[in-house]
Amino acid sequence: KAGVTQTPRYLIKTRGQQVTLSCSPISGHRSVSWYQQTPGQGLQFLFEYFSETQRNKGNFPGRFSGRQFSNSRSEMNVSTLELGDSALYLCASSLWGRDKSSAGYTFGSGTRLTVV
Amino acid sequence: AQTVTQSQPEMSVQEAETVTLSCTYDTSENNYYLFWYKQPPSRQMILVIRQEAYKQQNATENRFSVNFQKAAKSFSLKISDSQLGDTAMYFCAFSLNFGNEKLTFGTGTRLTIIP
Repeated sequence: KAGVTQTPRYLIKTRGQQVTLSCSPISGHRSVSWYQQTPGQGLQFLFEYFSETQRNKGNFPGRFSGRQFSNSRSEMNVSTLELGDSALYLCASSLWGRDKSSAGYTFGSGTRLTVV
Repeated sequence: AQTVTQSQPEMSVQEAETVTLSCTYDTSENNYYLFWYKQPPSRQMILVIRQEAYKQQNATENRFSVNFQKAAKSFSLKISDSQLGDTAMYFCAFSLNFGNEKLTFGTGTRLTIIP
């Protein structure tokens, strides 16, 4: 069974540009979450989508946005890039439901974004 | 808000020995999940073990086991018979039950297995 696929693996952008990252979840997983990982701030939650709706959002500025498509694939967009946006962006997919056994997250290998 | 604390930034242990990684958390909720994730140089976060707060029995997965102390809000990971492939960053994480599936991570412990 295919895992969570994130593209691209690496990205270099210039300050002020915008960027779009993609995440394809495990087949059947309807929830997709995004996390930012930096040496200084660690792993921080960006947002979570379920059935094309944003259910949760972390404390990030409006420059960070996302969406989810009907096939559960998700994209996140960062506009007006800043040097501090350089990070590893991780996507995780999960089953969701009232069944307690459904709680679990499978992560992709991330997109390493460098802003210069 | 929930917080997760890992007080050991780095640890090292000889191959085949046992090592314990510490994690404490803070929450006012009664139902939640706790996780240990491993992040090797490949960057992918890999689930090592999961514990449901309502279960008193400690979770085990092969060489990995946890010591879950709910009252003390402690969730340590024990790795037995450590192997070179266990070298990685280890993150403790917390998630609330019933639909809120945001993960709150600790700052991680860098574990090195010495041959």
